Amino acid sequence: QKEVEQDPGPLSVPEGAIVSLNCTYSNSAFQYFMWYRQYSRKGPELLMYTYSSGNKEDGRFTAQVDKSSKYISLFIRDSQPSDSATYLCAPRGKLIFGQGTTLQVKP
Amino acid sequence: GAVVSQHPSRVICKSGTSVKIECRSLDFQATTMFWYRQFPKKSLMLMATSNEGSKATYEQGVEKDKFLINHASLTLSTLTVTSAHPEDSSFYICSARSPWTSAETQYFGPGTRLLVL
Repeated sequence: QKEVEQDPGPLSVPEGAIVSLNCTYSNSAFQYFMWYRQYSRKGPELLMYTYSSGNKEDGRFTAQVDKSSKYISLFIRDSQPSDSATYLCAPRGKLIFGQGTTLQVKP
Repeated sequence: GAVVSQHPSRVICKSGTSVKIECRSLDFQATTMFWYRQFPKKSLMLMATSNEGSKATYEQGVEKDKFLINHASLTLSTLTVTSAHPEDSSFYICSARSPWTSAETQYFGPGTRLLVL
């Protein structure tokens, strides 16, 4: 079993929709997580950290951690075409990444 | 913010030739850099950790003689793909940790797309 797993998508939504991107992990020792955004043919950029549990908001983005189910979510409100990218989750401090979910926001 | 650059951004080479990819931290010194490989629609796979002034640490399954890493200065690490073959075609990305932020934060370069014919 991979340590971090994501549904590769693609996930296609209309502009303005609320998007939910998800990650599962297997190692209960992981405390915090990071979400990276990777545009096509570019390197990933750090989007935000999560708290060890619960929700963390940053503008239109909310990161959520459910430790009981080992489930991480990234919610994007009022999605924009510029949000179209691949979103990768990673345990903080670890050099491993989920496969990434490709998001397409259509105008 | 911390900026990491890579050069070249894309390269096409013939099978059997060697290709060098540079990774530079532009506004900070990085004692440690990381090299990743990414196939289409796949995750980043860590290849090796590059340490300034010492030998790189390679991940299991990565051939150190195939992927030569040199980290001769605090701002430059190079990855040389020796005797490249078509199966080496991939997207290579480097990253570095900035001393200004959490030690766990990685800043990634823009990547180098390698195509071996």
